[in-house]
Order: sequence, then C-alpha cells, then structure tokens
Amino acid sequence: QSVLTQPPSVSAAPGQKVTISCSGSSSNIGSNSVSWYQQLPGTAPKLLIYDNDKRPSGIPGRFSASQSGTSATLGITGLQTGDEADYYCGTWDNSLSAALFGGGTKLTVL
Amino acid sequence: EVQLVESGGGLVQPGGSLRLSCSATGFTFSSFAMHWVRQAPGKRLEYVSGIKSSGGVTYYADSVKGRFTISRDNSKNTLYLQMSSLRAEDTAVYYCTFSYCSSASCNWKTVFDIWGQGTMVTVSA
Repeated sequence: QSVLTQPPSVSAAPGQKVTISCSGSSSNIGSNSVSWYQQLPGTAPKLLIYDNDKRPSGIPGRFSASQSGTSATLGITGLQTGDEADYYCGTWDNSLSAALFGGGTKLTVL
Repeated sequence: EVQLVESGGGLVQPGGSLRLSCSATGFTFSSFAMHWVRQAPGKRLEYVSGIKSSGGVTYYADSVKGRFTISRDNSKNTLYLQMSSLRAEDTAVYYCTFSYCSSASCNWKTVFDIWGQGTMVTVSA
C-alpha cells in the first residue's frame, strides 16, 4: 500500500516557524483535497486542516497549509511546547479507492 | 455531543477472528459515511475500511481486503468491523472516524474530524 511521503521529524525553537511537507501523486494529492491531523501521545488524531487550507473552528491561525500539484505543506508559526506531536497528512487515492495517510512527522519544539 | 465509542478489541491468536463495534451518539448516524483507521504501536495511521451511509458501498485497504468486512446497522447506530484470518501485523489500535464537518468543502472521503477513543487489537500466540 502506498503512502504519502513526509519527513520523519522536524524541530524548531519556541516562537519559531516550521513547515512539514507531504508528497504524493496524481492519483491522490493531485486529484483530491488534503487534510492534516495532529496526534498527541496516547490520543486520537485531531483534524487541523481540511480542503487543503481550511481550519476547523477552534484551530488557531498559527496553523496554515497549502497544496500545489502533487504536494502539500503544513506550516506552524509561533511554536509552543504544546505543539509537540505527530502530524499526518491525509487524502483519498482514486487508484486504490481508499484513504491514504502520510508516514507522520514528529515535531520537536526545542 | 457527537461521540463514537469503539469496543470489541482484545487478544486473539493468529488466524482467529474478532468483531469490532463503534457505537455512535449525538448525530444522525444513518446520514454519514463511516470509516475504520488503525495504528500499530509506534507506527503511522493506516486506513482500513469505509462504508457509505446506506451501507451499499464499501472500501478496503489492500492489506485487509478479503479478510475484513465492514458493515453498519443504522437502526442501532452502530458500525462494525468483522476481522478474520488475523495476522500479527493487524495488531493495532482501531479507531472509527467520520466527517461531521458541515462545510460544503468537507469531503466524506478526505476529512475525518470526529474520532473515537480507539480499541486495541493484539494478534499473538
């Protein structure tokens, strides 16, 4: 089963900005919208971004995202220690007729 | 309050079977497509299966196709996952999830904004 490609880890200092990339193909990101999820240790994932760049109510503006071609990017500004978590991109794959998730990126706020 | 509660997880031997349930409350269950997503210990999220609101259309990951069956009982507001021929690699926390988002741009295939707490399935001799 194919996955969306994310960097295994990223890190930055408190107050700084970080970006997390998500690379796919024409059958998934190239054809369907991307969502982003935050997963704190021992908890279920939480939706951060949907439809490539939209934030659900309650998600701070520090979280933003974009999509271009077969790639997507999540940005987090004003990093806080509470942002330390695993972040996943997700979308649908038309060839597989199934949803796909990225490998996950562990964010460390130094 | 919109809520999903999974149950039915446990320890099962390789080759065995198990049925997971997901009880839904706080919304009109019969109107929404539902999905199962799993996460092996320390590993990434993995899509397992999905079912449309009427139950007539289902989707499966290649890794479970032919072994797992998703179903729903809209009269009982419950989603099921029948798992058979279980393997060690099926060991994971299994979450039920769906798109409750009311925005027109929320796609039931790509947006999972409501999640249950998960139920652990361990396949081991």
